[in-house]
Amino acid sequence: QLQLQESGPGLVKLSETLSLTCTVSGGSISSNSFYWAWIRQPPGKGLEWIGSIYYSGSTYYNPSLRSRVTISVDTSKNQFSLKLSSVTAADTALYYCASQRPYVYGSGSYCYGLDVWGQGTTVTVSS
Amino acid sequence: DIQMTQSPSSLSASVGDGVTITCRASQSISTYLNWYQHKPGKAPKLLIYAASNLPSGVPSRFSGSGSGTDFTLTISSLQPEDFATYFCQQTYSTPPGTSFGQGTKLEIK
Repeated sequence: QLQLQESGPGLVKLSETLSLTCTVSGGSISSNSFYWAWIRQPPGKGLEWIGSIYYSGSTYYNPSLRSRVTISVDTSKNQFSLKLSSVTAADTALYYCASQRPYVYGSGSYCYGLDVWGQGTTVTVSS
Repeated sequence: DIQMTQSPSSLSASVGDGVTITCRASQSISTYLNWYQHKPGKAPKLLIYAASNLPSGVPSRFSGSGSGTDFTLTISSLQPEDFATYFCQQTYSTPPGTSFGQGTKLEIK
């Protein structure tokens, strides 16, 4: 059974770089058609997709965060990571990692859904 | 960017009631719409994919409908474990790009 677990500092200083790692267990991060995503939820707000990565290293970022985000993958460790630079108070949030997989329906149509999520890790930006 | 708007933002209901939550997209997204249930301290759970399809294990009291820009999630007879926050997600954007509604908190009346 696939499981994901986020890890990293819970406190990051203003203007520094937030770094989180997601460890995948119970399955391979090199699975075909799976993407691996970072999502966050600021206090009292909705979910925001940060970006995703394929095991090959191809990355896809939210345009609003693209200039500050780097997502990388380490297939040997079955992990993927998030770096968010120049953080501000607005980056304080609950950060999730999740797997994105295709769901097939009808006559071979498919859509992507967030299948398995980590429990989330709270990151606070402090001055 | 595709904006997703949910209504209402919060809802009070009793066990046994039926409820409907609405999600509207800023442009047509065909049926590329998923619904999730999120309970405090737990990981979100996929309830419905492609607007109306239930993953294995999701109770049949949950149903979804819609296409284009307007979608609904209906819970036919609320159970105590259904009180949670529900949010929609569009996956029309070139995979894996996506965006979410702001969520609807379903509370016990």
